[in-house]
Amino acid sequence: QVQLQESGPGLVKPSQTLSLTCTVSDGSISSGTYYWSWIRQHPGKGLEWIGFIYYSGSTYYNPSLKSRVTISVDTSKNQFSLELSSVTAADTAVYYCARAFWNRDAFDIWGQGTMVTVSS
Amino acid sequence: QSALTQPASVSGSPGQSITISCTGTSSDVGTYNLVSWYQQHPGKAPKLMIYEVSKWPSGVSNRFSGSKSGNTASLTISGLQAEDEGDYYCSSYAGSGTLVFGGGTRLTVL
Repeated sequence: QVQLQESGPGLVKPSQTLSLTCTVSDGSISSGTYYWSWIRQHPGKGLEWIGFIYYSGSTYYNPSLKSRVTISVDTSKNQFSLELSSVTAADTAVYYCARAFWNRDAFDIWGQGTMVTVSS
Repeated sequence: QSALTQPASVSGSPGQSITISCTGTSSDVGTYNLVSWYQQHPGKAPKLMIYEVSKWPSGVSNRFSGSKSGNTASLTISGLQAEDEGDYYCSSYAGSGTLVFGGGTRLTVL
């Protein structure tokens, strides 16, 4: 069974760049059958889709975050990453990585999530 | 791209059936049969319960069922059990490679 694991700093200063990595285990990120995604959840709030990436590097972003988001993939390490620039307290959230179906319509496997706090 | 609209909360007694609605627009729910539903328990990652409006992922109970009419999708849980309590989120493909979630519904089993 494929597993996903997020990693990265739990504390980021305002105006800096948030960087997280998702490691895919027991499966290949290059399988071609899936997209890979980042999703966040503000404390006590709902889910917010951030973006998709395909193993080839093709990306799709949430229009509301597009100007600050970069998602990249490293097939040699079986990882994909998130960078969110110019962060503010409003970016404090649990960040999940997830595997998405080919249709980019559903997420069948999720990481456990990692809490990122933006604070000086 | 606005969030899909879900009721903030629903409740039901064990054994009963409940339905959670998810209202979008003609740009998402109304156009694409690509609506999914997730269950989330406190402190846990969401779990996929329904995809493509009414399909079950492997291992999900058929007590959960999905449907869609126009711009509104629905999740029905029959034979309500205590373990069904939690938060439920819908999502829909919204075109151009984008996806939108609903605001979430808290299900309480009385």
